[in-house]
Amino acid sequence: KAGVTQTPRYLIKTRGQQVTLSCSPISGHRSVSWYQQTPGQGLQFLFEYFSETQRNKGNFPGRFSGRQFSNSRSEMNVSTLELGDSALYLCASSYPGGSEEQYFGPGTRLTVT
Amino acid sequence: AQKITQTQPGMFVQEKEAVTLDCTYDTSDQSYGLFWYKQPSSGEMIFLIYQGSYDEQNATEGRYSLNFQKARKSANLVISASQLGDSAMYFCAMRTNAGKSTFGDGTTLTVKP
Repeated sequence: KAGVTQTPRYLIKTRGQQVTLSCSPISGHRSVSWYQQTPGQGLQFLFEYFSETQRNKGNFPGRFSGRQFSNSRSEMNVSTLELGDSALYLCASSYPGGSEEQYFGPGTRLTVT
Repeated sequence: AQKITQTQPGMFVQEKEAVTLDCTYDTSDQSYGLFWYKQPSSGEMIFLIYQGSYDEQNATEGRYSLNFQKARKSANLVISASQLGDSAMYFCAMRTNAGKSTFGDGTTLTVKP
């Protein structure tokens, strides 16, 4: 079974721009969660989608948004990028979407200049 | 609200010896899952082991075991026969039935030859 894939793996953007990151979960997994990892803040939960609905949300500003498609693939969007948005963005999937383990993708390294 | 506490920012262990990484958690939920993940310098998050809150026996996966003490709200990871490749950051995490995840700040493990 193929693992979680994330595209792109690396991204460089300028302040004020917007960015869209993509995550394809493991086949059959219906829950997709997004995390931001920075050296200073550690691993922070952004949001979780289950069956195309946002089920949980972390404490991030509205500039961070996401969606999930009917095939469970998910996208995360960050608008009006700030320098502090530079981070490793990790996506994780699980089945069926309760308290079971999540499997992570390799991450997208975003650098904002 | 859920909280995960990892009190050891860094740990050292001699190759072939066992090491215990500490994790305590706090939650008002009755049903939840506890996990340990390994993050090497490459950045990917690797799932190691899972313990359900209603599981009576401690989970084991090869050289990894989870010492689950529900009354103390602790979920320590034990790595037996440490190998050089075990050097990495280790995260303790919890997930509720509603799918919300919380991660600790991590412990950096260094295995000495």
